[in-house]
Amino acid sequence: DTEVTQTPKHLVMGMTNKKSLKCEQHMGHRAMYWYKQKAKKPPELMFVYSYEKLSINESVPSRFSPECPNSSLLNLHLHALQPEDSALYLCASSLEPGEDTQYFGPGTRLTVL
Amino acid sequence: GENVEQHPSTLSVQEGDSAVIKCTYSDSASNYFPWYKQELGKRPQLIIDIRSNVGEKKDQRIAVTLNKTAKHFSLHITETQPEDSAVYFCAANLYGGSQGNLIFGKGTKLSVKP
Repeated sequence: DTEVTQTPKHLVMGMTNKKSLKCEQHMGHRAMYWYKQKAKKPPELMFVYSYEKLSINESVPSRFSPECPNSSLLNLHLHALQPEDSALYLCASSLEPGEDTQYFGPGTRLTVL
Repeated sequence: GENVEQHPSTLSVQEGDSAVIKCTYSDSASNYFPWYKQELGKRPQLIIDIRSNVGEKKDQRIAVTLNKTAKHFSLHITETQPEDSAVYFCAANLYGGSQGNLIFGKGTKLSVKP
């Protein structure tokens, strides 16, 4: 299995909702990432998990809460989002953090009403 | 802060011509430079990467060159085809990868006209 999978593909939520994005990889990668991508912009790093521990939090608001239940899974819990949080949320993984190829999942297209 | 500059922002070529996209980086510790292709509505896909211990790498119609002294690297696509049309992002790892960050350029929208 050489893929990163993400669910759901699309998500529409209100500002008071709580939802979660899920990411999974079975490549034995030890680093997993969350990125946010707005239209016509590059991916922006949000979080890095290295060996199941949060190693980087790029000053992301607390309404985004990452979780790494095990080495294959990465979740992003969403609560009280704002319309400007609407974007494509991409998960990626790499064998080791830093010097290795990052493989991206297909993303979750999030719309906040 | 550390950043990656990418030029041009848009590039239009005729089918069969070559396309060149250039990036510069500021962090002298960077040692890994991937290039991603992103088609509309799709995920970024790695097309080629280069590490700082080599100056050039080629894969069929795609090549990447790296000049560490000048801190710039370039993507070369030869014999372009309409299916090469996409947004291309360059990236560099921050702090030599010690923290896992990739910094992306702003992207180049390549259009290949048949």
